[in-house]
Amino acid sequence: AQSVTQLDSQVPVFEEAPVELRCNYSSSVSVYLFWYVQYPNQGLQLLLKYLSGSTLVESINGFEAEFNKSQTSFHLRKPSVHISDTAEYFCAVSESGGYQKVTFGTGTKLQVIP
Amino acid sequence: DTGVSQDPRHKITKRGQNVTFRCDPISEHNRLYWYRQTLGQGPEFLTYFQNEAQLEKSRLLSDRFSAERPKGSFSTLEIQRTEQGDSAMYLCASSPGTSQNSPLHFGNGTRLTVT
Repeated sequence: AQSVTQLDSQVPVFEEAPVELRCNYSSSVSVYLFWYVQYPNQGLQLLLKYLSGSTLVESINGFEAEFNKSQTSFHLRKPSVHISDTAEYFCAVSESGGYQKVTFGTGTKLQVIP
Repeated sequence: DTGVSQDPRHKITKRGQNVTFRCDPISEHNRLYWYRQTLGQGPEFLTYFQNEAQLEKSRLLSDRFSAERPKGSFSTLEIQRTEQGDSAMYLCASSPGTSQNSPLHFGNGTRLTVT
């Protein structure tokens, strides 16, 4: 069975500072990896995804994540955060093949401090 | 694309009552999912539909829970004889199902409070 671990429940960071949100997964087969973001009072939105190919994937708002198969990790990074990045971030995994049951981590709340 | 719509946004009910939630997926999305999210946790998978067929149910979905998707469009999730432990945010998501890696599109959820 697949699982996701997000060790940091909350990450406070000053505006314009870099941030890394950690994600590790467990699966016995090939996986697809996702980061979803939930802004206050809004639904979950896809931020970025790794399916295959280049292990570094980017979002349109400056976030990036790197798939590391040997370390079974998919950490999310941004070199300079903005106040508007304050949200909860969920790492998720689905096993390739089948109908795409997505398993989520427990989430990391990113709090950007002005 | 009007997004995934869930109704109601909030529901407060007394223990023992039945409740029903509705989800309208993005039109032409043939996959529909129900998740449950409690405080401090990520969304937990409950069940999945491919068109009108319910293909998988999580062990989290006790006999008091039932989900339907008649005609493969909107879906309902009913909880009978609610318990305080059922208090949570119930999320619906849909995807086009054209490939195995289609991202999920989530609604804003229905927050259930059982008193």
